[in-house]
Amino acid sequence: EVQLVESGGGLVQPGGSLRLSCAASGAALSDLNIDWVRQAPGKGLEWVGRSGNKVNSYTIQYAASVKGTFTISRDDSKNLVFLQLNSLKTEDTAVYFCADLGAVPTDSWGRGNLVTVSS
Amino acid sequence: DIQMTQSPSSLSAFVGDRVTITCRASQAIRNALGWYQQKPGQVPKRLIYAASTLQPGVPSRFSGSGSGTEFTLTISSLQPEDFATYYCLQYSGFPFTFGPGTKVDIK
Repeated sequence: EVQLVESGGGLVQPGGSLRLSCAASGAALSDLNIDWVRQAPGKGLEWVGRSGNKVNSYTIQYAASVKGTFTISRDDSKNLVFLQLNSLKTEDTAVYFCADLGAVPTDSWGRGNLVTVSS
Repeated sequence: DIQMTQSPSSLSAFVGDRVTITCRASQAIRNALGWYQQKPGQVPKRLIYAASTLQPGVPSRFSGSGSGTEFTLTISSLQPEDFATYYCLQYSGFPFTFGPGTKVDIK
């Protein structure tokens, strides 16, 4: 069973940067497609992007709302996927989840990591 | 991008009621649709993938149907633990998109 754990969240000022990490265990990261999903306080779920696995040529995809400001990367040797958040705005305040949305029959989600953008 | 809509946005129901939630896609997505349940403060839980396949461990009162642009999630007999917000997710093409959610609460 794949387990995912996020880290790196916290309080950051508008315009600042933060890097979130997603640690995977239970499977080789090279086999996993890892998605980032966020949820602003009291709001719905928003897909942020995906780090594709080796079979998918490690292709990275982004939502339009974060393209150009967020960057996804991975280090398979360390079983880590990263979400670099740059030029942060107050509206980026959210809980950020990493997840293996495409896995069947069972998917996996981390517990989420809160990012608060405030002065 | 594929837009997802859900109806209703909220509903009130009694324990034991049959509940149906609809999700519509702005273009055909074959059966590349999942349904998620989320309770306050908790991680979303996938109930159904590929539009109609029940995730292991999910009670059989949950079922999904549809293909193309219109999909439904049905709860055959609502239980107290089912009061939550439900989201659909299309994964037919990038960017993936969630529906806005349907909140199910107690009548």
